[in-house]
Amino acid sequence: GAVVSQHPSRVICKSGTSVKIECRSLDFQATTMFWYRQFPKQSLMLMATSNEGSKATYEQGVEKDKFLINHASLTLSTLTVTSAHPEDSSFYICSAPPGGSPGYTFGSGTRLTVV
Amino acid sequence: GDSVTQMEGPVTLSEEAFLTINCTYTATGYPSLFWYVQYPGEGLQLLLKATKADDKGSNKGFEATYRKETTSFHLEKGSVQVSDSAVYFCALSGKTSYDKVIFGPGTSLSVIP
Repeated sequence: GAVVSQHPSRVICKSGTSVKIECRSLDFQATTMFWYRQFPKQSLMLMATSNEGSKATYEQGVEKDKFLINHASLTLSTLTVTSAHPEDSSFYICSAPPGGSPGYTFGSGTRLTVV
Repeated sequence: GDSVTQMEGPVTLSEEAFLTINCTYTATGYPSLFWYVQYPGEGLQLLLKATKADDKGSNKGFEATYRKETTSFHLEKGSVQVSDSAVYFCALSGKTSYDKVIFGPGTSLSVIP
């Protein structure tokens, strides 16, 4: 089946540094990738939608200069959290539609802790 | 706008008990409906889905029926196991695979031996 590989699974960084999260579609082409954020014991909130070869679309309230999204190829999308602060600590998950029918394939998530 | 409501948790059941997690939705048109499961520390996995009214999705002993008249998609399992302990999310999306998915708040299930 369709697989989305997400790395790293866990990262701890110092406040003020930047962190890059990668999502790769392994056996299908992902022209679209969705990025979600999940706070503890809460649901997933869509942050942005990336499309290969064009600018990402951000949801209301999401700072585009802080959460940089790049969709450089049909199999790779990246989310960079710039100048991270403790309040950015969260679980970030990517997902992509494998095509053909509704529903997404999700990455395994990245636990970001900013200290 | 479109939304999904599901029963509040946490839900604690004994092994082999019957499970129901209620889910209702509000949407324009005829959305596709999903149940996703998230095990501790992991991403989401699609558990089952239904794309039109009266469809029944099923997987791993779990079932849910798309009820248009009651705008519901309740999740059921006849006999839960400890390994079913997870958070369950009801969700909806449009008909195409590129439509945004809207998630419910999630219901945490703990199954005790």
